[in-house]
Amino acid sequence: DTAVSQTPKYLVTQMGNDKSIKCEQNLGHDTMYWYKQDSKKFLKIMFSYNNKELIINETVPNRFSPKSPDKAHLNLHINSLELGDSAVYFCASSQDLAATGELFFGEGSRLTVL
Amino acid sequence: QQQVKQSPQSLIVQKGGISIINCAYENTAFDYFPWYQQFPGKGPALLIAIRPDVSEKKEGRFTISFNKSAKQFSLHIMDSQPGDSATYFCAASYDNNNDMRFGAGTRLTVKP
Repeated sequence: DTAVSQTPKYLVTQMGNDKSIKCEQNLGHDTMYWYKQDSKKFLKIMFSYNNKELIINETVPNRFSPKSPDKAHLNLHINSLELGDSAVYFCASSQDLAATGELFFGEGSRLTVL
Repeated sequence: QQQVKQSPQSLIVQKGGISIINCAYENTAFDYFPWYQQFPGKGPALLIAIRPDVSEKKEGRFTISFNKSAKQFSLHIMDSQPGDSATYFCAASYDNNNDMRFGAGTRLTVKP
């Protein structure tokens, strides 16, 4: 009964490959996010979707493309992986963030690019 | 540009002591200030949060102090326990905005 689940938890791949990370939430939330946490633990928002519509798109390389087939899912596809893409990627969801301020995070997907 | 600045980067406290983590923000439009706690291998989880209409909020051993004029807020952990050892993030967002901005994190270690 995990609220926000991400797969895979670990991903090791070579430079230049394309990979995807999947995220699903069963909380009935309208908004989902992708955050990147680098080796220094800094959390940076990448994308935000509300009801399948992109509402935040921070300055990330266009090799990163989010896809939201429905409001319970937000997947992240990364093309032509680079060494600097190595990080932990967190999916999160919220319902009316302005009112509750609460983001619900998944357990993260650790991506290692060799 | 980092909109929420957090210090210290790391903190070591003896069991039973008080842990204090500070944050400062720049955007005066921010009106919601949560603290998140992250254990190794897990995602961050909401710990406690405050809005700027109050100067302090307490939940158990955790207290947020808020200084609107100084644009600063802090987390105090009283009677710190080894189980409190984690990374703590302050954050800020503003009304009708689904964009939460995080501080750089503080790695807290509570020694037995």
